[in-house]
Amino acid sequence: KQEVTQIPAALSVPEGENLVLNCSFTDSAIYNLQWFRQDPGKGLTSLLLIQSSQREQTSGRLNASLDKSSGRSTLYIAASQPGDSATYLCAVSPSQAGTALIFGKGTTLSVSS
Amino acid sequence: KAGVTQTPRYLIKTRGQQVTLSCSPISGHRSVSWYQQTPGQGLQFLFEYFSETQRNKGNFPGRFSGRQFSNSRSEMNVSTLELGDSALYLCASSLFGLQNTGELFFGEGSRLTVL
Repeated sequence: KQEVTQIPAALSVPEGENLVLNCSFTDSAIYNLQWFRQDPGKGLTSLLLIQSSQREQTSGRLNASLDKSSGRSTLYIAASQPGDSATYLCAVSPSQAGTALIFGKGTTLSVSS
Repeated sequence: KAGVTQTPRYLIKTRGQQVTLSCSPISGHRSVSWYQQTPGQGLQFLFEYFSETQRNKGNFPGRFSGRQFSNSRSEMNVSTLELGDSALYLCASSLFGLQNTGELFFGEGSRLTVL
């Protein structure tokens, strides 16, 4: 059974720091991995989608990497800003067709000014 | 381009009642999935609909049901509400559906409180 773990559960950094959020999964047979952002009481905003054949994706100050063999993904945020404060969730799509996304519990990030 | 729209955003019900939540996907998207989010369990998959057919279902009791209409709009229903059904219910749409594991786009959610 696929399990997704995100460490740390919470992270506080001062503005301007570069930071890395971690996501690990137990079964390396995945279709893709997606990173989301969730603000308090809101829905999820898709940040980056990495297909299983890809190693990384970049969007602005965000860079996500994927190492299927080790069951790991990282989300790198450069030059963090207070507006980046949110919960970041990673989710994997298992390799079996028709199965649902499996989410980690998320990392809650707080960036202070 | 409008995003995923969920209604109502907030609702309060009492135990034993039933509730219907609605989701309008992004125009052109044919797949709609539903997830339940609670502090304890996190995000859990409920079911997915594609072209009006339920293609996949999560591990939830039969009290949870859904359907999809010809315009791709979807509804989910929870009957005989229990306190533990209090949660944020999120709808997500995608172009090709979970079977092709495309990118998912989520709505703002419907927050259900059961008293």
